[in-house]
Amino acid sequence: AQSVAQPEDQVNVAEGNPLTVKCTYSVSGNPYLFWYVQYPNRGLQFLLKYITGDNLVKGSYGFEAEFNKSQTSFHLKKPSALVSDSALYFCAVRPPNTDKLIFGTGTRLQVFP
Amino acid sequence: KAGVTQTPRYLIKTRGQQVTLSCSPISGHRSVSWYQQTPGQGLQFLFEYFSETQRNKGNFPGRFSGRQFSNSRSEMNVSTLELGDSALYLCASSPLSLAGVPGYEQYFGPGTRLTVT
Repeated sequence: AQSVAQPEDQVNVAEGNPLTVKCTYSVSGNPYLFWYVQYPNRGLQFLLKYITGDNLVKGSYGFEAEFNKSQTSFHLKKPSALVSDSALYFCAVRPPNTDKLIFGTGTRLQVFP
Repeated sequence: KAGVTQTPRYLIKTRGQQVTLSCSPISGHRSVSWYQQTPGQGLQFLFEYFSETQRNKGNFPGRFSGRQFSNSRSEMNVSTLELGDSALYLCASSPLSLAGVPGYEQYFGPGTRLTVT
C-alpha cells in the first residue's frame, strides 16, 4: 500500500538550533514529494517539493529537504529554527500516475525561545 | 493574486441535514481538490475536479459529492450528515490537472470548519 510516515508526533527544538522533521514514504516508482505547513486555524501552506534532479531542495522561509531514494526518505531541515516556525508540518507524496496527494499524519514543531 | 477562498469558514449543522461548501480557486487555476482533515484520520483526499469533470475520488461514501463550474469554482455537498463528518474541509487548487502535469503543487484555502451536532 502507498503510504507516508512521519514517525514523530512532536519535535521540540531551541531557537537558533538546527531542526529536522522526518518523513519516509512507501510507493512504487518515482514519487513526487511535498512539504506543507499548517498554522492554527489556517489552511496548508506549500513549503517545497521534489520532482527530479538535485536531491537537496530549497524552499520557503529557509527550509530545505533532502530526498534519499535508497532510504525512501524526504526529511525537512532548517539550519536555525525560529519561534515563528512553530506549527504543524505535513509531508505528502503523489505516487506516479495518480491524481491525489497522500499525507503523513503530521509533526508538530515546537521551537522554544 | 488572491488565494484560494472558501465559504463559509464555520458551519454548524444537525445530524441528518445536508451541507454545501464552496471553493473559489486562484485565478487561472483549473484543478480543484477537496480534502477532509480530522484529528483521528488526518488529511484524506475526497476528490479532484478539472474542467468540470471529476478526475479522481477518494474512499468516501456516496453522501459526499461535488461539482465544478465553468469558472472553475467548486462546491462539495454532504448529505445526511453524521457526527463523524465533523471536520475541517480543505479545498486546494493547481493550474492544471495533477495527472497532466504531476509536478505542480497545490495551493490550499483556509478551510471550512464543519461541526455536526
